[in-house]
Amino acid sequence: DIQLTQSPSFLSASVGDRVTITCRASQGISSYLAWYQQKPGKAPKLLIYGASTLQSGVPSRFSGSESGTEFTLTISSLQPEDFATYYCQQLNSYPLTFGGGTKVEIK
Amino acid sequence: EVHLMESGGGLVQPGGSLRLSCAASGFTFSDYWMSWVRQAPGKGLEWVANIKQDGSEKYYVDSVKGRFTISRDNAKNSLYLQMNSLRAEDTAVYSCARRGYGSGSYFPSYDYWGQGTLVTVSS
Repeated sequence: DIQLTQSPSFLSASVGDRVTITCRASQGISSYLAWYQQKPGKAPKLLIYGASTLQSGVPSRFSGSESGTEFTLTISSLQPEDFATYYCQQLNSYPLTFGGGTKVEIK
Repeated sequence: EVHLMESGGGLVQPGGSLRLSCAASGFTFSDYWMSWVRQAPGKGLEWVANIKQDGSEKYYVDSVKGRFTISRDNAKNSLYLQMNSLRAEDTAVYSCARRGYGSGSYFPSYDYWGQGTLVTVSS
């Protein structure tokens, strides 16, 4: 099974900060990685697919990149509505797996 | 507008069974792989099962193999999860999700999710 290790698991930041979340895969997954945002009591929302393609309607302050088996989600300027938990997911092979999540809270 | 609505959750004793349903609307259901994903209280997301458009391929996470069965009825635009031999560790919110592809992309993702239905396994 492919393990996804997300870091950090918790992040405290201020509005306007640049935020970076990392997701490391235990083996190669090409670009079959997606990022989701989840707010309490709500369904996850797709942000990025194919490691770096922004889902339609998602603000351009969100971006994704990859380097080998390391994937990064960056929020260029954190907004109040961005405080949430973020998950990566690999869709390269079964069983599909998610990272453990990164909770972004207000400093 | 794409809409996914789960139902069928509730309280069940260990060893019991439950059948979840997901009603889909706003898209051609038979064109998409569909999935179940669960989230235990206060925990992260866990993929549970996938089913191909025509139901000919199904995949499961190891922890539910032999106990859960995913199925679909394209005529009714509905997805199902039959859960047998339930355990306390199956307690979670179960959500259905559509596996879609972005415009011109061959990279899949879960582009639409339902709000979920809570399954509690407890005596």
